[in-house]
Amino acid sequence: NAGVTQTPKFQVLKTGQSMTLQCAQDMNHNSMYWYRQDPGMGLRLIYYSASEGTTDKGEVPNGYNVSRLNKREFSLRLESAAPSQTSVYFCASSRQGMNTGELFFGEGSRLTVL
Amino acid sequence: QKEVEQDPGPLSVPEGAIVSLNCTYSNSAFQYFMWYRQYSRKGPELLMYTYSSGNKEDGRFTAQVDKSSKYISLFIRDSQPSDSATYLCAMKAQGGSEKLVFGKGTKLTVNP
Repeated sequence: NAGVTQTPKFQVLKTGQSMTLQCAQDMNHNSMYWYRQDPGMGLRLIYYSASEGTTDKGEVPNGYNVSRLNKREFSLRLESAAPSQTSVYFCASSRQGMNTGELFFGEGSRLTVL
Repeated sequence: QKEVEQDPGPLSVPEGAIVSLNCTYSNSAFQYFMWYRQYSRKGPELLMYTYSSGNKEDGRFTAQVDKSSKYISLFIRDSQPSDSATYLCAMKAQGGSEKLVFGKGTKLTVNP
């Protein structure tokens, strides 16, 4: 059982380049999320999708776009990468309507923007 | 003031020690309180979940919530080197999706 799978695991970009981080989950979860994690800043929500066909901004959405391709897949796109977007990005999923607070995270994608 | 405050540490203790990790929060609408554990270069995983005020125990781990003080704690008894990780508190309000607000995390090292 793979859970939440993120690709790529590592990426180096130059300022101004674009790229897409891919995320897929095989747990039949309705809700999916993109977080970034920076030293001293903790986990911050970029975008989330409560269900297929819907997306909403989180705490730090500027410079990012998302696509909920289907129930399994939720991608994060950087249109014009900036050094401030150097971070570790985590995708997560959860069952909708559950109040246990249980998010299932991928292993992260480490992005460096030069 | 950030919604959730957590001392980032780092915290270093000898094996067998009792560890206390804490978070404070400002949003009185938070009803659900979680502790996640994150090993180095891995994603966070849910360790414990508590609804409203009170205590919850799971093996060596005890989670406490004091809503009147807006303060939550995680206690680890008989700490082991395998407990070395970053511990993140998280919380959410009633209803809606699992949109959590996380603390910054406390890095714990348990020395053999």
